[in-house]
Amino acid sequence: AQSVTQLDSHVSVSEGTPVLLRCNYSSSYSPSLFWYVQHPNKGLQLLLKYTSAATLVKGINGFEAEFKKSETSFHLTKPSAHMSDAAEYFCVVTTNRDDKIIFGKGTRLHILP
Amino acid sequence: DTGVSQDPRHKITKRGQNVTFRCDPISEHNRLYWYRQTLGQGPEFLTYFQNEAQLEKSRLLSDRFSAERPKGSFSTLEIQRTEQGDSAMYLCASSFGQGALNEQFFGPGTRLTVL
Repeated sequence: AQSVTQLDSHVSVSEGTPVLLRCNYSSSYSPSLFWYVQHPNKGLQLLLKYTSAATLVKGINGFEAEFKKSETSFHLTKPSAHMSDAAEYFCVVTTNRDDKIIFGKGTRLHILP
Repeated sequence: DTGVSQDPRHKITKRGQNVTFRCDPISEHNRLYWYRQTLGQGPEFLTYFQNEAQLEKSRLLSDRFSAERPKGSFSTLEIQRTEQGDSAMYLCASSFGQGALNEQFFGPGTRLTVL
């Protein structure tokens, strides 16, 4: 069985400052992990994914995430926030053993001018 | 636009009525997923198809829910005897390949309100 926990339901940062969105997972098998973003009135879009290759994964729009097995974490970061980053972000876990896809509850990112 | 489309975008119905939603995936995608998303929650998996075969159903999918993908292209999700607890956003996604590790492309969703 697998699960995913997004530790913050809301995060606020000032424009130009770093972003950190936290995600912890639990999985009985080697996990694959994803981050999706949902802008208001738009469909979910893949930011990046980890599937057992390099542990530091780079995604679109300057986001990256690091898979840390010892900490069971897959935190999303960006060096400098932009107003257009304001959205809801979802961490997702799955495995290639059972095809079950589990979304976290989401973190809403607010960007302050 | 060659993305995933869903119809209708909004549906308001009275309790006890039946509703049907349609999803048109990206044309070459063989996998199609249905999710339900309520306010403040992440999408919850309902079911998925590999071509026309329905391979997995969540326990969330009660016997009032049925999904089809008759020719391996578009899919429909029907809810019979709707209840107020069915009010949610219903999301469809499609992907290409065999496993769950491939990128899913999401549609804009159908927002259902049951009065």
